[in-house]
Amino acid sequence: DIVMTQSPDSLAVSLGERATINCKSSQSVLYSSNKRNYLAWYQQKPGQPPKLLIYWASTRESGVPDRFSGSGSGSDFTLTISSLQAEDVAVYYCQQYYSSPQTFGQGTKLEIK
Amino acid sequence: EVQLVESGGGLVQPGGSLRLSCAASGFTFSSHAFFWVRQAPGRGLEYVSAISSDGNTFHANSVKGRFIISRDNSKNTLYLQMGSLRAEDMAVYYCARDKMAGFGGVIGYWGQGTLVTVSS
Repeated sequence: DIVMTQSPDSLAVSLGERATINCKSSQSVLYSSNKRNYLAWYQQKPGQPPKLLIYWASTRESGVPDRFSGSGSGSDFTLTISSLQAEDVAVYYCQQYYSSPQTFGQGTKLEIK
Repeated sequence: EVQLVESGGGLVQPGGSLRLSCAASGFTFSSHAFFWVRQAPGRGLEYVSAISSDGNTFHANSVKGRFIISRDNSKNTLYLQMGSLRAEDMAVYYCARDKMAGFGGVIGYWGQGTLVTVSS
């Protein structure tokens, strides 16, 4: 199984500041034939199911604010929130869908400083 | 509007069985892959099982031989038959659907979840 490791486990950022969450996979999730990274990011607010934010490592889901962006390739990925808003308080998960089981990272809890 | 509504959760004794259902609506059920993802209290997300549009299944090692995912396209319903339940299976179980047909493992839609409690 591909192991997904996120850092940090928790993060406190001031409103309006940048938040950065990292995700590392135990093997590359870049599919050579189509040059796509099989990596998604989800946001989960308390008491709610997760919500898809980004797929193919950097493609923003429809309706997701453009302050959310994804980057990286191969085994190292980053989710960036450019200007933190109060409604962004949540736990964020990365997920690889390169191979089954499609494993998730352990989650990063984002709070307001 | 895509809707996924889970049912069947509840309290079960260790070693017992339970069947979860997920009623889907708002899209062509037979065209999509589905997943069961669980979340133990205060913990992260764990991929449990998946079934493709043509019926191929996958189960995580932690549930292999104990859980079976299935689908009934005529009823627009996804199932998870759970057996030999253990304390570590206690979690909220989410039914989830691929973002779009043939899009692989990106989960675009989630149900609200159903809680399974394993306790004597």
